[in-house]
Amino acid sequence: GEDVEQSLFLSVREGDSSVINCTYTDSSSTYLYWYKQEPGAGLQLLTYIFSNMDMKQDQRLTVLLNKKDKHLSLRIADTQTGDSAIYFCAESIRSTDKLIFGTGTRLQVFP
Amino acid sequence: DVKVTQSSRYLVKRTGEKVFLECVQDMDHENMFWYRQDPGLGLRLIYFSYDVKMKEKGDIPEGYSVSREKKERFSLILESASTNQTSMYLCASSLDSASSYEQYFGPGTRLTVT
Repeated sequence: GEDVEQSLFLSVREGDSSVINCTYTDSSSTYLYWYKQEPGAGLQLLTYIFSNMDMKQDQRLTVLLNKKDKHLSLRIADTQTGDSAIYFCAESIRSTDKLIFGTGTRLQVFP
Repeated sequence: DVKVTQSSRYLVKRTGEKVFLECVQDMDHENMFWYRQDPGLGLRLIYFSYDVKMKEKGDIPEGYSVSREKKERFSLILESASTNQTSMYLCASSLDSASSYEQYFGPGTRLTVT
C-alpha cells in the first residue's frame, strides 16, 4: 500500500539551512506537497511539485524530487525561529482525490 | 481566500457520549475530508466525501460516521466516544480532480474523551 515516511525531528541553528526529507512509495503520484503546521493550527500548503519536475524554488524554499528513488526533500535557506513547526510531505494518489501524508517532521530552530 | 472552519477548537466529552464535529468551507469545493492527527502517526484519513450525500471510508473509519447534507458542510460523528478517540481532528476541502488536489485545512478540534 501507499506509505510516506519522514524522520520525526530536526534541530537547526538560526541562519543555517534546514533539509527535511521524505520517501514515498506510489510511483504514479501526480503531485507531491509540503505542508506546514504551526503550534495549535491546521496545515497550510507551503509548496508543491508536479511529478515531471525535479526541482522547484520559491524564495527561501527549494524542493528536490528524485523519482527514481522516490525521494522528496524540502530545503529552507536562512532558517528563522518562525520556521519552527511540523512539516508534512504528502503525495496525491492517481485516480482519486486523496492525499497520503507522512508522519511529519518537527523542526526546531534555536538561536 | 479559502476558509475552512471547524465548530470547536477544544472539546471535552465523556466516554459513551455522542459527539458531533462540524466543518464548513466557503469555496464551493466538491471534496471534503476528515483526518485525525496523533503524534508519530501523522494524519490518518477517517472519511471523505466527493459530493453531497456521498461518503467513502478512509483508512480508519471504525467508530466514526459522517454526514454531508449540504455541499459546504461535512460532519464527523462519534456514535459512542471512547478514550482512544482522544485526538486532534482536522477537516479539509479541495476542488475536484481537475485541480492540483491541494487540500485546505481548518484549524483543528482537539477532542479529549474522559
